[in-house]
Order: sequence, then structure tokens, then C-alpha cells
Amino acid sequence: EDKVVQSPLSLVVHEGDTVTLNCSYEVTNFRSLLWYKQEKKAPTFLFMLTSSGIEKKSGRLSSILDKKELFSILNITATQTGDSAVYLCAPRSYQLTFGKGTKLSVIP
Amino acid sequence: DVKVTQSSRYLVKRTGEKVFLECVQDMDHENMFWYRQDPGLGLRLIYFSYDVKMKEKGDIPEGYSVSREKKERFSLILESASTNQTSMYLCASSGRDANQETQYFGPGTRLLVL
Repeated sequence: EDKVVQSPLSLVVHEGDTVTLNCSYEVTNFRSLLWYKQEKKAPTFLFMLTSSGIEKKSGRLSSILDKKELFSILNITATQTGDSAVYLCAPRSYQLTFGKGTKLSVIP
Repeated sequence: DVKVTQSSRYLVKRTGEKVFLECVQDMDHENMFWYRQDPGLGLRLIYFSYDVKMKEKGDIPEGYSVSREKKERFSLILESASTNQTSMYLCASSGRDANQETQYFGPGTRLLVL
């Protein structure tokens, strides 16, 4: 059975802090890993990772995949209150398996 | 921009009623998915479809059925709604090619079954 564990479950930081969110997975026939950000409504796509060791960046967010150790991390630097959300990790085999998410709260 | 729309944002139904949740995507995507999302349980896949008239069970198909008569439309049906089906329902779509694996989500339907 496919398994995804995200840690921490929740995190409270101050604006300007840097955070690292973790995702470990056990998925048969792994194809890719996706990160999503979910605020009050539907998840919005952040990154798709397919290769180990290649960092993907978008502004203050970056992510990297380690296919040997079966994990991925999502980094957010200089956090802002608008980064407050649940961040979902989803490795993909034939379909996506979602982790339960990390709830990030950024306080002014 | 990919657009996935769902027929209702909020829905209130009574136990035993038949419920239809509609999802439409405008990107000519082959794959469509229905999830439910509950606190502490995350997103769980109910059913998915890789083509018209084709459907596959996800992780929690019991109590649900689906219909895909046209490529752009994927319907989730609750034959006889029960209170434990109160949830947020999310539809998603994606393309078939490896570089189109990203799933794009609709805004969600929050269903309350009384």
C-alpha cells in the first residue's frame, strides 16, 4: 500500500523565518512527486519533481527530491503571512497519493 | 489557464437523497478524478477516469458511483446520501502525457448531509 508521511503536522513561525517541510513516501512504480498549497479552498499546484537532486524554484519557494532516500523537502524563505496554508505532498504512481499535509501559520 | 469548475460550492441534502456532483474541465484533459477531503484524513481518491465511459475505483469507492459520458464532464453520484458522506468534494483533471501529470483542482463542493 502506498504511504506518504508529511512532517511536521503543523508549524507556527514569524514573518521572515525560513521553514522546511518534509515529505517521505513509499510508492510502487514511482513517476513523480507534486507539491500543492491549499488555503481556504482547492489545492493549487506548486511543483512537480521527477529527478533526484535537481532543485525547482519559484520565488521564495524551492523543492528537491531524493529518490534514493524516498523523500522531498519544500523550503520557504523569508516567510510572509500569505504563505499561511496547508502544504500537500503527493507522490504519483498510477495516481496521486496525498499526504495529510503540513499546516503552516505565519504570524506578523 | 486550466479551468475546472464544479456545479455547486455548497450543498445541503437529506439522508437517503440521490446527489449529483458535476465537474467540467476545459483543457481537453483525458484524466479526471474525484476526491473527498476530511480533517485528519487528507485527500482520498474516490473514483477516477482515464477516458470517456471508463472508470476506475479509487481508495474509497463505497457508496459512490461515477459517470463520464463526455470527455469534459465527470459526475459523482451518491445513490443514497448518508451523514458520513458529509465532506468537501474536490474534482481534478490532468493530461495523459508525462509532462501533463499535474492535476488541476476545481474549487470544491462542500456537502452537508442531514
